[in-house]
Amino acid sequence: QSVLTQPPSASGTPGQRVTISCSGSSSNIGSNPVSWYQQLPGTAPKLLIYSDNLRPSGVPDRFSGSKSGTSASLAISGLQSEDEADYYCATWDDSLNGLFGGGTKLTVL
Amino acid sequence: QITLKESGPTLVKPTQTLTLTCTFSGFSLTASGVAVGWIRQPPGKALEWLALIYWDDDKRYSPSLKNRVTVTKGTSKNQVVLTMTNMNPVDTATYYCAHHHFGDFDYWGQGILVTVSS
Repeated sequence: QSVLTQPPSASGTPGQRVTISCSGSSSNIGSNPVSWYQQLPGTAPKLLIYSDNLRPSGVPDRFSGSKSGTSASLAISGLQSEDEADYYCATWDDSLNGLFGGGTKLTVL
Repeated sequence: QITLKESGPTLVKPTQTLTLTCTFSGFSLTASGVAVGWIRQPPGKALEWLALIYWDDDKRYSPSLKNRVTVTKGTSKNQVVLTMTNMNPVDTATYYCAHHHFGDFDYWGQGILVTVSS
């Protein structure tokens, strides 16, 4: 059971906007930056969002991140079929140990 | 171009010690702020953060595995070694190493599936 709580699944139709939540506590999300990773089927995870809301070079601006208090969110606008993947939030605890969320499987209907 | 690749046994027996090597290129583990981390993923399950070794040899371990996991720099300047003792079938997973900079894993290896079975 992960310390960071994500919904196990999410879904949307092409073109829609979907959001994925990540809930933590004051000792992790509340005091450290949040990252998001996308894992396409059968591949290694890919960094999607870092420092709460920044995109690495090459990540489309359809992907955005936000954080408020002890929760963070990933939003995907203009949903596309290739966005079907598992999404993980990540952060650190007060001892600088890494944490991953339980993951959310996004289905594009 | 940063690349990483995991190597080691794909099958280990219960109670044995697992040793995995991460061989990387395109960066130096002596550069300030750089680290290499290990993450694993049991089949069909979530990612689990295991360990991290920094350029200055500082190390961090998952509290739940701290007594079983050790991460060290390899004999070659471009290698990092993960050791996990007393392997159990629940440790069956794909093990990834990744380049870590400013708090994030921005480059990942392809992963190696390690099965624990007698």
